[in-house]
Amino acid sequence: GESVGLHLPTLSVQEGDNSIINCAYSNSASDYFIWYKQESGKGPQFIIDIRSNMDKRQGQRVTVLLNKTVKHLSLQIAATQPGDSAVYFCADLGGSQGNLIFGKGTKLSVKP
Amino acid sequence: EAGVAQSPRYKIIEKRQSVAFWCNPISGHATLYWYQQILGQGPKLLIQFQNNGVVDDSQLPKDRFSAERLKGVDSTLKIQPAKLEDSAVYLCASSSYRGRFERAYNEQFFGPGTRLTVL
Repeated sequence: GESVGLHLPTLSVQEGDNSIINCAYSNSASDYFIWYKQESGKGPQFIIDIRSNMDKRQGQRVTVLLNKTVKHLSLQIAATQPGDSAVYFCADLGGSQGNLIFGKGTKLSVKP
Repeated sequence: EAGVAQSPRYKIIEKRQSVAFWCNPISGHATLYWYQQILGQGPKLLIQFQNNGVVDDSQLPKDRFSAERLKGVDSTLKIQPAKLEDSAVYLCASSSYRGRFERAYNEQFFGPGTRLTVL
């Protein structure tokens, strides 16, 4: 089965609020994770990554948290904007050749 | 920098017909990937090329799917014959990942995809 999965298929937030998208993984040997954003009609776009030797990494308005104990990671988006509306995927670099294994995705909708 | 180009963007065919997709990766990227993304799911890797050689095609349905990357640049993915369950978006991605002994912490850049509908 898939090594990564998302808790919720949809998330609706008010513009300006913070968003939290969760992801669980099953492979305890996974050591690198990436969050991708996919807008309608486009390919996935890299947002932020984190290695297993870290538990937090921050980017511009985004923060990824990694909890290896419970095999869980989350993507936090601060001050969510309409342009953040998209499907968000967590991906695990689980393949032996550097292959990404994607979860099913969470659709984020931002209400104005 | 130009991104990953794919064509066509949309294709509608009937089952048992053949179809081909084309991908032009980012210049200089040694590694090229084809993914299948069924509606409501994450992308699933079909095949990975390193230059013009295949390094992983374990999830490619080889009885009907084929892919090639001549001269280590452009790539084509073909389906022959198509089935209803092949309806999906086919994504091409490229990265500068260069070899199996080099940790692949390189970002994959995705093209816009080809949406295939099989009737």
